[in-house]
Amino acid sequence: NAGVTQTPKFQVLKTGQSMTLQCAQDMNHEYMSWYRQDPGMGLRLIHYSVGAGITDQGEVPNGYNVSRSTTEDFPLRLLSAAPSQTSVYFCASSYWPKSGASQETQYFGPGTRLLVL
Amino acid sequence: KQEVTQIPAALSVPEGENLVLNCSFTDSAIYNLQWFRQDPGKGLTSLLLIQSSQREQTSGRLNASLDKSSGRSTLYIAASQPGDSATYLCAPKGGGADGLTFGKGTHLIIQP
Repeated sequence: NAGVTQTPKFQVLKTGQSMTLQCAQDMNHEYMSWYRQDPGMGLRLIHYSVGAGITDQGEVPNGYNVSRSTTEDFPLRLLSAAPSQTSVYFCASSYWPKSGASQETQYFGPGTRLLVL
Repeated sequence: KQEVTQIPAALSVPEGENLVLNCSFTDSAIYNLQWFRQDPGKGLTSLLLIQSSQREQTSGRLNASLDKSSGRSTLYIAASQPGDSATYLCAPKGGGADGLTFGKGTHLIIQP
């Protein structure tokens, strides 16, 4: 298993440009999520999904869109990049029991470093 | 809102020492707590997951404890090695589908 994969590894954007950060997992996990990591801030949740067709907002969703058309993929879209979105982005996945009562171990991808000029 | 504090923020010790990393959280209504390791420029690697009904979880030289009622968890590393140098993150998980809440981490350096 490749686990959780993310592309690209590094990206430079100009203010106002759009782009999509890709995330894929091959573990048949229902739950997928996106975090951003900033110095001195820790990781913060952007969006999450408990299955195909179901997404919801996390702590810092503004400026980001997501969709989940398949179990495997969970892309994160920046519609109009801003310097404040300069960060390291991590995608994570885990099993999600039908009861929704808890989550098992979360597995993280290697991250995408984004610089917005 | 859950808040997570990790102490110390940084720690540098000689090889071979046993050490304890501390994590405290404000909302004790958690389902589990996960400890991660992050190497510079890399993603997060899960070390241990403790369910809310458990008191301890062990993996090799690592032992994590959980005192849910007091909002505390500790990660004990025995016989530290230079390869243990990394940032260690604590993340409790509440109910519902929202994600983990992370502390800012403890940056650990093990001197050869």
